[in-house]
Amino acid sequence: AQKITQTQPGMFVQEKEAVTLDCTYDTSDPSYGLFWYKQPSSGEMIFLIYQGSYDQQNATEGRYSLNFQKARKSANLVISASQLGDSAMYFCAMRLTQGGSEKLVFGKGTKLTVNP
Amino acid sequence: DAGVIQSPRHEVTEMGQEVTLRCKPISGHNSLFWYRQTMMRGLELLIYFNNNVPIDDSGMPEDRFSAKMPNASFSTLKIQPSEPRDSAVYFCASSYGQGIDEQYFGPGTRLTVT
Repeated sequence: AQKITQTQPGMFVQEKEAVTLDCTYDTSDPSYGLFWYKQPSSGEMIFLIYQGSYDQQNATEGRYSLNFQKARKSANLVISASQLGDSAMYFCAMRLTQGGSEKLVFGKGTKLTVNP
Repeated sequence: DAGVIQSPRHEVTEMGQEVTLRCKPISGHNSLFWYRQTMMRGLELLIYFNNNVPIDDSGMPEDRFSAKMPNASFSTLKIQPSEPRDSAVYFCASSYGQGIDEQYFGPGTRLTVT
């Protein structure tokens, strides 16, 4: 079955420290994409970072980086130098092909709290 | 540049009433997605359009739900009749391209059915 799993319902980190949010996936497709989205308390979904299955290097976007370990089927999000504004829900998502069409399947999310 | 626009932002209605949610995608994007988010089920894809054509509606829960995209700049999601279990946040998202790439989400519509 094609699915995506976030095992950490909640995480805490001290301001200015780094934090890793876990994401594992399961798919038999050779071509897929992995996304991370942030959802602050205001509710909107904000795209953070993308990793393609054939990308040789780990994706980075500012303080966000994706630790992509293909053999382990993991795509963990690393946030460096945490800020109070990073407190939010974080969702991992996978692009997969089902029934001839593509869709994005989301994990259940991890709630990150940054402490001052 | 305006992002994805959704209206209304909040909707409270009584069971049995018709509800229409509206979405304006980002100009130039040719794929549009409707999602539903609940605590129990998380974020679920309901339907996906590409170039105004429904590509995958397998996530639409039942016949009470319908979605249209009459043109590239407008889509609606209709629930008729609404039920309390339809209470959720409904997101519209858009992206550029035929496949699913980076999606930009609207602010969502919080629907409460009493």
